[in-house]
This record gives sequence, C-alpha cells and structure tokens, in this order.
Amino acid sequence: EAGVAQSPRYKIIEKRQSVAFWCNPISGHATLYWYQQILGQGPKLLIQFQNNGVVDDSQLPKDRFSAERLKGVDSTLKIQPAKLEDSAVYLCASTPNTGYYGYTFGSGTRLTVV
Amino acid sequence: DAKTTQPPSMDCAEGRAANLPCNHSTISGNEYVYWYRQIHSQGPQYIIHGLKNNETNEMASLIITEDRKSSTLILPHATLRDTAVYYCIVRATFGNEKLTFGTGTRLTIIP
Repeated sequence: EAGVAQSPRYKIIEKRQSVAFWCNPISGHATLYWYQQILGQGPKLLIQFQNNGVVDDSQLPKDRFSAERLKGVDSTLKIQPAKLEDSAVYLCASTPNTGYYGYTFGSGTRLTVV
Repeated sequence: DAKTTQPPSMDCAEGRAANLPCNHSTISGNEYVYWYRQIHSQGPQYIIHGLKNNETNEMASLIITEDRKSSTLILPHATLRDTAVYYCIVRATFGNEKLTFGTGTRLTIIP
C-alpha cells in the first residue's frame, strides 16, 4: 500500500511570500488532516477534512492559511503571506474514517521562512 | 491542555528492553491510550493502543495499570532504529476526537 505523499520536501521562502503544500492521502481514505510541527514541539492540528468537506478548522489561522480538498482526494495547504513564525514542518495524515485508531502520516514539508 | 505526562528523554542500551512511562491521571472511561513514535525527518508512526487490558503487537507491548492512570510502552529488544520521539496520547475513539500530541519522550538507543 502506497503511503501518504507530500511535496515539496523542503521549501525556503522570504517573509510575506506565499507558499503551497500538496498532499495525496492513501487511496480510499476519507479523512485527511494537516498538522504543523514547530521545532522541538509535537504536531499541532490545523485542519481536518472528511471527503471534500471541512470538519474542523478551529486552529487554522484563517487570516493567512487556507486549505482545500476539492475532489475529496488530494489536498493543498496555502500560506499567504508567510511570517517568520510559520517556519515548521507541515505534516499530512489520513485515515479511512473519523475516529480510526491509526493515522498514517506523510514525511512532511519543511518550511523555512527567512 | 496536556492529558499526559512523559519524561523528556531516556536512554537505553541496544538489545535491552526499553520501558517508556506515561502518566494520564485524568483519563476518562471512554478514552484509549495511544502510542506513536517519530523518527528523525519522518512523520509520526502508530505503534499500539489500548483501553484497559495489556496489548502486544509486532512492534511493542503496552501495559496499563489497573486504575488506568498510567501506562508503560515496552520495546522488548531495542535497536538503533528505535531511536525516536515517543508520544503517549489519550483519546476517545468514538466521535471525532483528533490526535493531540504533547512533546513526548526522546528515546536514544546506545550501541
């Protein structure tokens, strides 16, 4: 079974620029999550999708972050404009449905904002 | 708010059993204990979970105390590849409760 694919693997941008991350979950997984992991901390949930609908975006900084999963398969997370404090690893995870015990994570995108 | 407390770091000799403790004194009756680990430059990986009985799989064993206020993850024969950050998470499986990560325990396996 193919894992969760994320790209790019690394990204360096200047502050105030925009950036987008892409995630392709495991085939058939209805639930998709984006997490932000700042160095030295555990991952923090940003947004959860169920198929193409948003289930929980309560921790997403909506003034600069946006995410979509238009066809209920792959997803894009965007930051515009980026701030220095957005430097982190952005992780995507998927599960067959909500409440499932085992999340499968991708390897993440490491963003550095300079 | 963190529902679990873990030591920030631990060392273990290669080939020995690694025992990682976790306190979850406020756990509710419908909450499970989950363990994930994160190897450097990778995303977290599911290890095991349990409600009140001890559990074992090909990766590890999970021992939960009778009062469910603490648990121990056991890696029976630690290898260098087990060096990682280990996260203990308390979560209700029904409904839509998500995984909420703390800072975990950084386990270093020493040759």
